[in-house]
Amino acid sequence: GQQVQQSPASLVLQEGENAELQCNFSTSLNSMQWFYQRPGGSLVSLFYNPSGTKQSGRLTSTTVIKERRSSLHISSSQTTDSGTYLCAMGASSGSWQLIFGSGTQLTVMP
Amino acid sequence: ETAVFQTPNYHVTQVGNEVSFNCKQTLGHDTMYWYKQDSKKLLKIMFSYNNKQLIVNETVPRRFSPQSSDKAHLNLRIKSVEPEDSAVYLCASSFGQEVFFGKGTRLTVV
Repeated sequence: GQQVQQSPASLVLQEGENAELQCNFSTSLNSMQWFYQRPGGSLVSLFYNPSGTKQSGRLTSTTVIKERRSSLHISSSQTTDSGTYLCAMGASSGSWQLIFGSGTQLTVMP
Repeated sequence: ETAVFQTPNYHVTQVGNEVSFNCKQTLGHDTMYWYKQDSKKLLKIMFSYNNKQLIVNETVPRRFSPQSSDKAHLNLRIKSVEPEDSAVYLCASSFGQEVFFGKGTRLTVV
């Protein structure tokens, strides 16, 4: 089964609304990262957040190891927030690698 | 700010041709990776390379091969491309558990 489950698959917001993206992991968590992918491919790391809460501007990431989940909160969304948000868990199987979720496609309408 | 550099950004080629993608990281990291992102935006690891040790995802066809001259470079060669190789190929590097990605190379096989 899929090791990293992301929800929702897609989300449409009006500018100014908040968003909550979820990531659930089927195995114990060593580390996790949130990424933002612009239309066109560039993958930008938003948070390296293996546990606890981190904030950067309007973005907040909370990882709860015991519950094997992480969330990304976007407050006061802007049209420039539109894109794909991906979470990934770190796994060590021979070498270190990231296992990605299938992403949340966010569209923020003006 | 990008510190993992990939070239080219895009490449269109015919079935059966050989292609090579370049990747260089300026972060001083000791591990580099190639990931493939399919049309559904799902990212999967292809290779990781650390201290001259290559770890290969067993699902990767043999026509794919990584090539490294030093720890700052990891190129990807595809010997004879197939239509299903059309995808975005993302190079990444890490030191420890946080991973940084390049902007990707979009390959289209016609």
